[in-house]
Amino acid sequence: DSGVTQTPKHLITATGQRVTLRCSPRSGDLSVYWYQQSLDQGLQFLIQYYNGEERAKGNILERFSAQQFPDLHSELNLSSLELGDSALYFCASSTQDSNQPQHFGDGTRLSIL
Amino acid sequence: GQNIDQPTEMTATEGAIVQINCTYQTSGFNGLFWYQQHAGEAPTFLSYNVLDGLEEKGRFSSFLSRSKGYSYLLLKELQMKDSASYLCAVRSSGGSYIPTFGRGTSLIVHP
Repeated sequence: DSGVTQTPKHLITATGQRVTLRCSPRSGDLSVYWYQQSLDQGLQFLIQYYNGEERAKGNILERFSAQQFPDLHSELNLSSLELGDSALYFCASSTQDSNQPQHFGDGTRLSIL
Repeated sequence: GQNIDQPTEMTATEGAIVQINCTYQTSGFNGLFWYQQHAGEAPTFLSYNVLDGLEEKGRFSSFLSRSKGYSYLLLKELQMKDSASYLCAVRSSGGSYIPTFGRGTSLIVHP
């Protein structure tokens, strides 16, 4: 158990819809990262938050947005969903120490029909 | 940017030793991680290297050569449960500390 909690585990929806994925980081971790993993792709970094502030952006589409709340949990919002958005979405958390690894949640499997 | 290269797939026999290589190109190297990921599950941390040399942790060891942009993960006494994808991730210097992941090496261990 990594200590990172993601909900829901599975999500099935239709094209054009909007969904929200939720992540609670490990106790004491201030950084939260969101990743997308498709079948034929590696882990693609989307966005990072640190203590409520956006810290870095990766390959995140404009249709996607995220935020981190005062209690440090984070939400990833995906809108105008397309078939290609079907993927595993992982949240990870870490401290800011550069030699510390990221700890990943179990992921949310999003299926777009 | 960063470029990380790993073999796509490897096979090995139970009880044997396997070495999974990772080569990278980056500006401002600041650490390399290895993760294990079983299909459909979360990546789990295996090892971290920031200085040249070998880090041993039980059946798993990881080696780094910064001058060559090269790392390997060595798995000894392979077990069936070691069948998984192994991800190499490189962190570059900068304020965000975000590692870039390779596409992973799928290891199949057979009896």
